[in-house]
Amino acid sequence: AQSVTQLGSHVSVSEGALVLLRCNYSSSVPPYLFWYVQYPNQGLQLLLKYTSAATLVKGINGFEAEFKKSETSFHLTKPSAHMSDAAEYFCAARGGGYQKVTFGTGTKLQVIP
Amino acid sequence: DADVTQTPRNRITKTGKRIMLECSQTKGHDRMYWYRQDPGLGLRLIYYSFDVKDINKGEISDGYSVSRQAQAKFSLSLESAIPNQTALYFCATSPGGAGDTQYFGPGTRLTVL
Repeated sequence: AQSVTQLGSHVSVSEGALVLLRCNYSSSVPPYLFWYVQYPNQGLQLLLKYTSAATLVKGINGFEAEFKKSETSFHLTKPSAHMSDAAEYFCAARGGGYQKVTFGTGTKLQVIP
Repeated sequence: DADVTQTPRNRITKTGKRIMLECSQTKGHDRMYWYRQDPGLGLRLIYYSFDVKDINKGEISDGYSVSRQAQAKFSLSLESAIPNQTALYFCATSPGGAGDTQYFGPGTRLTVL
């Protein structure tokens, strides 16, 4: 069974600073990996996903994530934080076939002016 | 119009009452899901359905039941609501296949007094 660990339930960065949100997964086979974002009072929406093509995945709003099999990691980064990036971010993983998605516990990103 | 809709958006009820949360989608997806979100716990899967005749329990199905009335409709019932079922509930759909991105509804905030 998949498990997903997000380090840090709250992360604060200054506007313009690097955003780094950490995600590690456990799996015996390379999974499909996702980052979702949840803005206040909204449902989750996909930021980006890894499906075994390129290990560096680019998503919406300038975010990207790198799949590192040796570290079982899929950290999310953005070079320069914007106030509009303040939200909760969820990492998720799924195996192949009919396996369900497992979500991490989420990281709330605060952007300080 | 939204692709995934949930009704009601907010509901306050009393302990012991039967509650139904409804989800409809216009994306034409076969797969549908019900999650609950609690602070610090992320999203936990209650039930999922990979087609109209397929219903599966998730990790926290006790106290809940579901009905898949059609490809587009998936309802969640709380037979006898209790206070620890107070949470934010999300419905999601996905097309299947590689990656299998989930598309979320706006959520239903349920309070059980």
